[in-house]
Amino acid sequence: AQSVTQLGSHVSVSEGALVLLRCNYSSSVPPYLFWYVQYPNQGLQLLLKYTTGATLVKGINGFEAEFKKSETSFHLTKPSAHMSDAAEYFCAVGSNAGNMLTFGGGTRLMVKP
Amino acid sequence: DSGVTQTPKHLITATGQRVTLRCSPRSGDLSVYWYQQSLDQGLQFLIQYYNGEERAKGNILERFSAQQFPDLHSELNLSSLELGDSALYFCASSVGGGGALETQYFGPGTRLLVL
Repeated sequence: AQSVTQLGSHVSVSEGALVLLRCNYSSSVPPYLFWYVQYPNQGLQLLLKYTTGATLVKGINGFEAEFKKSETSFHLTKPSAHMSDAAEYFCAVGSNAGNMLTFGGGTRLMVKP
Repeated sequence: DSGVTQTPKHLITATGQRVTLRCSPRSGDLSVYWYQQSLDQGLQFLIQYYNGEERAKGNILERFSAQQFPDLHSELNLSSLELGDSALYFCASSVGGGGALETQYFGPGTRLLVL
């Protein structure tokens, strides 16, 4: 079985500050890891994904995430927050042992001017 | 715009009723996935169809069923609706049947309100 825990259902940062959204996973097989973003009244959009290879993954809009197997983590970061980054962010885990994605509870990012 | 379309955008109905949600995948995508997003359960995978066949099943209630048609569009049928079925229902599509490995493209969702 797989599970995802996102620490902090709400995160607030100032514009220009570092964004750090935390994700820890549990998986009995090598995981595939994803970050999705959901803007208000819209569907989910893929930010980045890790399957194999380089553990530091760069995504769209300046976001990146690092897969740390020893910590079972896949935290999402962005050096400088923009107002347009305000949205809900979902971490998800999948594997080649199954076809489904398991999502975390989501973290709502608020960016203050 | 992901290229995945869902209709209707909003649906209001009463308990005990039956509704059908429709999804058209991106052109060329063979897999369709259905997800339910609710305040108490979060985002949950319901079911996946690949080229007309059921490929994977998640936390889908027996009152719910889905199918994928020869033109690859999919319908999610929800029957004997309860208040707790009120949620946002997303459809996603991907190129093949690989599921978790493939990028899934999400539609805008159908917001269901059961009164």
